Amino acid sequence: DAGVTQSPTHLIKTRGQQVTLRCSPKSGHDTVSWYQQALGQGPQFIFQYYEEEERQRGNFPDRFSGHQFPNYSSELNVNALLLGDSALYLCASSLSGQGYREQYFGPGTRLTVT
Amino acid sequence: EDQVTQSPEALRLQEGESSSLNCSYTVSGLRGLFWYRQDPGKGPEFLFTLYSAGEEKEKERLKATLTKKESFLHITAPKPEDSATYLCAVPGGSARQLTFGSGTQLTVLP
Repeated sequence: DAGVTQSPTHLIKTRGQQVTLRCSPKSGHDTVSWYQQALGQGPQFIFQYYEEEERQRGNFPDRFSGHQFPNYSSELNVNALLLGDSALYLCASSLSGQGYREQYFGPGTRLTVT
Repeated sequence: EDQVTQSPEALRLQEGESSSLNCSYTVSGLRGLFWYRQDPGKGPEFLFTLYSAGEEKEKERLKATLTKKESFLHITAPKPEDSATYLCAVPGGSARQLTFGSGTQLTVLP
């Protein structure tokens, strides 16, 4: 049973560039959430996708956008990169429905902006 | 707004020296509390879910407990391989997004 996978593992970009990160959820899961984790901090919620729509967004600017595909995989896009966007980007998957269920995380993508 | 505070920020233990990590929370209505373990450069690994005050969960040397205001992660006779950052989180909002604490970085010395 494959867990959550993310690609790429590491990425180095220059200020002003754009980046796309990818995520495949755990088998059987239909909901994908994205988090940003700065060094020494807990993950911060960016947004969540369910049924190919953004269900909720955290306190992140419009430069951060996403997409969910019919197979439940997801992409995170960041435009006009800033030095402060350097972080570990985590994808988490879960199963929708009643109750508040645990989310399972992927290994993350380490983004460095120079 | 949901808030989660973890203490201490860092903890160094000798192998076999038991201790506890604290997670205090402020939420409008608790819908569960999650504990995760995170190794350096990796994603958080799910450990436990607690839903109601008085509930306890155990896994190997770890035991999580929950009261109305806080949760404890007790580690009994830790080993060096237990070294990691331990995160707690509460779900909230219509999307069930997780609000995390900043974590406790645990180091177990041999």
